[in-house]
Amino acid sequence: DAGVIQSPRHEVTEMGQEVTLRCKPISGHNSLFWYRQTMMRGLELLIYFNNNVPIDDSGMPEDRFSAKMPNASFSTLKIQPSEPRDSAVYFCASRIATGRTGELFFGEGSRLTVL
Amino acid sequence: GQQVMQIPQYQHVQEGEDFTTYCNSSTTLSNIQWYKQRPGGHPVFLIQLVKSGEVKKQKRLTFQFGEAKKNSSLHITATQTTDVGTYFCASSNTGKLIFGQGTTLQVKP
Repeated sequence: DAGVIQSPRHEVTEMGQEVTLRCKPISGHNSLFWYRQTMMRGLELLIYFNNNVPIDDSGMPEDRFSAKMPNASFSTLKIQPSEPRDSAVYFCASRIATGRTGELFFGEGSRLTVL
Repeated sequence: GQQVMQIPQYQHVQEGEDFTTYCNSSTTLSNIQWYKQRPGGHPVFLIQLVKSGEVKKQKRLTFQFGEAKKNSSLHITATQTTDVGTYFCASSNTGKLIFGQGTTLQVKP
């Protein structure tokens, strides 16, 4: 079975450009998470959705960041305008939400470099 | 807010030595999960603990959840070079899964 699919795997862009990261969760999973990983800050939760509805976006750093989940099989994380400090690996993960538990399945990540 | 603190941040061991990483919280946790991330890879689920005092084993790995459900540990017996990576604990009291800072394990052959 296909796992969580993220694209692009790598992106290099210049400061000020718009960046869109994409995620296709595992079919049947109803929770989707976006994380950012850096050496300094570790794995930070940015936002998560249950049944396509954003539940908690308190980790979204600024108004430059936005996330959408128009349907159960697709989500986007957009950064506009991008800045060098946004350089990180962005992971999407999904799970079947059963109360407060449930194994999280991660995609392979999108490595973003903003010059 | 909910936080889990993990120590140590780094650990270097000789192959064959044991390794332990600890996860602590100031609040009671409803559950604890453990993940492993290989260098250049993504986090992969290892196990979930839910009950107070729970102990689970996976081959050379032993996972414990404290009696007060405020701490957890992962112990690896006789490390191998394949154990290299970063081990994360994570907890979700409210549905959102928060990760500790991770312990990066290096194993010298």
